Amino acid sequence: SAVISQKPSRDICQRGTSLTIQCQVDSQVTMMFWYRQQPGQSLTLIATANQGSEATYESGFVIDKFPISRPNLTFSTLTVSNMSPEDSSIYLCSVESLGKPYEQYFGPGTRLTVT
Amino acid sequence: EDQVTQSPEALRLQEGESSSLNCSYTVSGLRGLFWYRQDPGKGPEFLFTLYSAGEEKEKERLKATLTKKESFLHITAPKPEDSATYLCAVQAGYGGSQGNLIFGKGTKLSVKP
Repeated sequence: SAVISQKPSRDICQRGTSLTIQCQVDSQVTMMFWYRQQPGQSLTLIATANQGSEATYESGFVIDKFPISRPNLTFSTLTVSNMSPEDSSIYLCSVESLGKPYEQYFGPGTRLTVT
Repeated sequence: EDQVTQSPEALRLQEGESSSLNCSYTVSGLRGLFWYRQDPGKGPEFLFTLYSAGEEKEKERLKATLTKKESFLHITAPKPEDSATYLCAVQAGYGGSQGNLIFGKGTKLSVKP
């Protein structure tokens, strides 16, 4: 399975600021995904990022709030913009496995606290 | 609406006490059902994929089964290191959620020595 790393692992930010989270994969993948896991809640898909095209956002998530970049097949970033305490959450990136249909593997996550 | 419900929310077992976790789902054309393990402060770790009713997968003390409406994760003679939150997810084959993983809230398992 792919090895996925995320930076930063955690951060504490002030409201109104922005944070960019990086996701690096050790192999080339077509599809990368960004999820949010709020305290006590299930994982919720924010958007799907394919290299060379605009990210596709799920209902309730917009590009102005969560801009995503996908410059190549091993890297993506998610920015959480104009943060509020409600954005405090764990943000996870995942990739779809090559050769194993529909299986997704997750990074270690970024724990964000907004004060 | 595609949906996943896991029960119980929390389960406390004694070491060696076998039990099962439940994942009930409604989905538009099941592509796959997935089980993950998540330790505190970490991302979900992939365990199993099940594609069709009747399928079973095993890994050490864990065995996953699938019917048309639910999946079970059986834990045989658990050890303290099996303590974690177990997540179930489904992927829809068509409809508004097609291709997305839809997660349940998880079952938090604690195994006491």
